[in-house]
Amino acid sequence: AQSVTQPDIHITVSEGASLELRCNYSYGATPYLFWYVQSPGQGLQLLLKYFSGDTLVQGIKGFEAEFKRSQSSFNLRKPSVHWSDAAEYFCAVGAKEYGNKLVFGAGTILRVKS
Amino acid sequence: DVKVTQSSRYLVKRTGEKVFLECVQDMDHENMFWYRQDPGLGLRLIYFSYDVKMKEKGDIPEGYSVSREKKERFSLILESASTNQTSMYLCATVRDRSSPLHFGNGTRLTVT
Repeated sequence: AQSVTQPDIHITVSEGASLELRCNYSYGATPYLFWYVQSPGQGLQLLLKYFSGDTLVQGIKGFEAEFKRSQSSFNLRKPSVHWSDAAEYFCAVGAKEYGNKLVFGAGTILRVKS
Repeated sequence: DVKVTQSSRYLVKRTGEKVFLECVQDMDHENMFWYRQDPGLGLRLIYFSYDVKMKEKGDIPEGYSVSREKKERFSLILESASTNQTSMYLCATVRDRSSPLHFGNGTRLTVT
């Protein structure tokens, strides 16, 4: 069965520091990969997605993610974190074979300290 | 811009009550989903629908049912609410698998 693992429940970084949020997946098919962000009291917003092609994808708000098939990973990165990036981040995975269903990770809560 | 509207932001119900959570979308999308979100568990799929009157079970359908009588409306039903169904419920819609999910703002349900 497909699964998505976000190993870090909480991460705290200083404002201006770099950030990497980890995501590993277990899928029997070629995956579609997404990162969503949820700010406190808000709905989920898409940051970026990977379907095919260049394995380094750029998203909104200065985020990027790299798909590494050999490691079954899709880690999210940002070179310099802003206080407004404090939120919960979800990795999600889908596949053509599973229709339009997505499986979400448990989420990583990002805290930013000034 | 796609709009997904969940009828209630907060809901408090008693154990054993029948509960209806409503979701309406305005973009003519065929695919609609109900997730529940719990701390440390992320989003878990309850049910989804890919067309009117069509539905499929997700990963945690027990205790829930759904209704899709019109394309724009997807209802989640708790036949007899229980305290372990206290959660945040999120409705989502998507055009196709290459498109992002569009989420409603959620309904926080408390069952006492």
